[in-house]
Amino acid sequence: EDQVTQSPEALRLQEGESSSLNCSYTVSGLRGLFWYRQDPGKGPEFLFTLYSAGEEKEKERLKATLTKKESFLHITAPKPEDSATYLCAVQARTGANSKLTFGKGITLSVRP
Amino acid sequence: KAGVTQTPRYLIKTRGQQVTLSCSPISGHRSVSWYQQTPGQGLQFLFEYFSETQRNKGNFPGRFSGRQFSNSRSEMNVSTLELGDSALYLCASSPLAGMSTEAFFGQGTRLTVV
Repeated sequence: EDQVTQSPEALRLQEGESSSLNCSYTVSGLRGLFWYRQDPGKGPEFLFTLYSAGEEKEKERLKATLTKKESFLHITAPKPEDSATYLCAVQARTGANSKLTFGKGITLSVRP
Repeated sequence: KAGVTQTPRYLIKTRGQQVTLSCSPISGHRSVSWYQQTPGQGLQFLFEYFSETQRNKGNFPGRFSGRQFSNSRSEMNVSTLELGDSALYLCASSPLAGMSTEAFFGQGTRLTVV
């Protein structure tokens, strides 16, 4: 069974204090690993897809990396508007389906 | 380009009733997946539809069902509601099934069972 574990559950940072969010996964053949951002009361907003170990993607203050067992979301010099829950999900390479298995998310709070 | 639209946004139902939620995917997207989100369990996969056919189903009881229409719009139905069905129900659309393209989510329907 595919599994995704995210840590820590919650993270409080001072504005400008860089950090990393961890996503550990086990999957029967990885098709893709996804990062989403979710604000309270809203649906998840797509951030990145990573396909193979060693791949990196960047968007503004965010950088996602992937190994064979983990993915990291690095946040450089965060701002209060980066406060949200960050979700990691994997899609297995089995069958023609789009099922995503999600972790429980990391709630990030950035203080001004 | 319009995003994924879910209606209604909020619902309050009584135990034992049934409910139908609707999802209109992004234009041109043919795959629609449904997820249940609760504080304790996070996001859990319910089922996926592609070209009006259910492609995959999660570990939920038969009270949860869905369908997809020829225009790719999808509905999910929950019968004999239980208190534990209170959750945010999210719909996601993708261009095709079984490909690692990003899934775009709607704002969700907040269901409260009393």
